[in-house]
Amino acid sequence: AAGVIQSPRHLIKEKRETATLKCYPIPRHDTVYWYQQGPGQDPQFLISFYEKMQSDKGSIPDRFSAQQFSDYHSELNMSSLELGDSALYFCASSPRETRNEQFFGPGTRLTVL
Amino acid sequence: RKEVEQDPGPFNVPEGATVAFNCTYSNSASQSFFWYRQDCRKEPKLLMSVYSSGNEDGRFTAQLNRASQYISLLIRDSKLSDSATYLCVVNKAGNTPLVFGKGTRLSVIA
Repeated sequence: AAGVIQSPRHLIKEKRETATLKCYPIPRHDTVYWYQQGPGQDPQFLISFYEKMQSDKGSIPDRFSAQQFSDYHSELNMSSLELGDSALYFCASSPRETRNEQFFGPGTRLTVL
Repeated sequence: RKEVEQDPGPFNVPEGATVAFNCTYSNSASQSFFWYRQDCRKEPKLLMSVYSSGNEDGRFTAQLNRASQYISLLIRDSKLSDSATYLCVVNKAGNTPLVFGKGTRLSVIA
């Protein structure tokens, strides 16, 4: 079965650089969520989109922005990267029929040097 | 205090053992409840949703007590492949963010 696709899988950036993470949800899933998981931490919600509109906002820094496109894929744009941004970034999607269950992509491991 | 609290673990159990994880949540508005498992450096994977009547999936049984705001997961006949971190997760309703507990690490030993 098709799963959530994230790219890139690994990314290394320098401080103050920018990064763009991409997420392609499971087909027929209209809601996308972004989570950040630091080392030894549980995933923390950043932001979500439903039908291309922002639906919830969590602990996303002002340096980050995101959007969902007409094909439902989403991009997380990160600017002025800091060392503390090093983490796993997961995208999850949920289906139209039952929006309770969220299915996670493999994540993007971001390392800021 | 975290919104979702779990046994810290780690739990080290022999193959074939039965192990139980507990979880409490503080937001009484929570409507949906899940157990996810996460292997090291991998994504959380949905293990099972938890329903008020309790539910079972093979060796796994989940229970929910809304009055006590308590969720449990029982794993019978543990396998080596069950070794992972088990995350207790809640959300307020469909289409809303998941709130995770810090997870309980399970190691099943041969």
